[in-house]
Amino acid sequence: NAGVMQNPRHLVRRRGQEARLRCSPMKGHSHVYWYRQLPEEGLKFMVYLQKENIIDESGMPKERFSAEFPKEGPSILRIQQVVRGDSAAYFCASSPRSGSGNQPQHFGDGTRLSIL
Amino acid sequence: GENVGLHLPTLSVQEGDNSIINCAYSNSASDYFIWYKQESGKGPQFIIDIRSNMDKRQGQRVTVLLNKTVKHLSLQIAATQPGDSAVYFCAETVAGGTSYGKLTFGQGTILTVHP
Repeated sequence: NAGVMQNPRHLVRRRGQEARLRCSPMKGHSHVYWYRQLPEEGLKFMVYLQKENIIDESGMPKERFSAEFPKEGPSILRIQQVVRGDSAAYFCASSPRSGSGNQPQHFGDGTRLSIL
Repeated sequence: GENVGLHLPTLSVQEGDNSIINCAYSNSASDYFIWYKQESGKGPQFIIDIRSNMDKRQGQRVTVLLNKTVKHLSLQIAATQPGDSAVYFCAETVAGGTSYGKLTFGQGTILTVHP
């Protein structure tokens, strides 16, 4: 019964490159949330997706960031032309349905992105 | 310039003591609350949750108290063990509606348990 799987665990990029972060939700979960965590801070919501749909991207920067959750395969968080300020830990969470009124989100162990 | 993070509140206890971690939440419309434990290099791990129609919920060695009047949440850990050392976050959300269950996290508290 695998949990939320994220890869890579660590990613190093130079300024201007692209970063792709992948997330496979728990089995049976069709709702994915992405969060960003800076050192010594709590997680900040970025985007919420269901299969093939972006439901809420209110926490995601308007430029350079995009997310998808295709019908087949993992959810992808993509950061284009990375800058030093993108250095952070990016966490993915999944739940069986939206609203989380009765179901807590379960988190992966994150991808730590470092920008040189 | 360099991004300087905030210093998290800390709580140091001796093994076997009871620990109480507090959290003030911001949104009076929030109706579902979760405590997470985060160990170094790992993602948040679910501990216990509570809905707004309750004021207390107990789990194994943990109790969550909710005071909606003052928008305060607490996590009590009984007989704290060294393995409980971690950062603890409260999270709030509005179930349903346009919130879609996205979580708003508190600042976090560093718990250190001394053997």
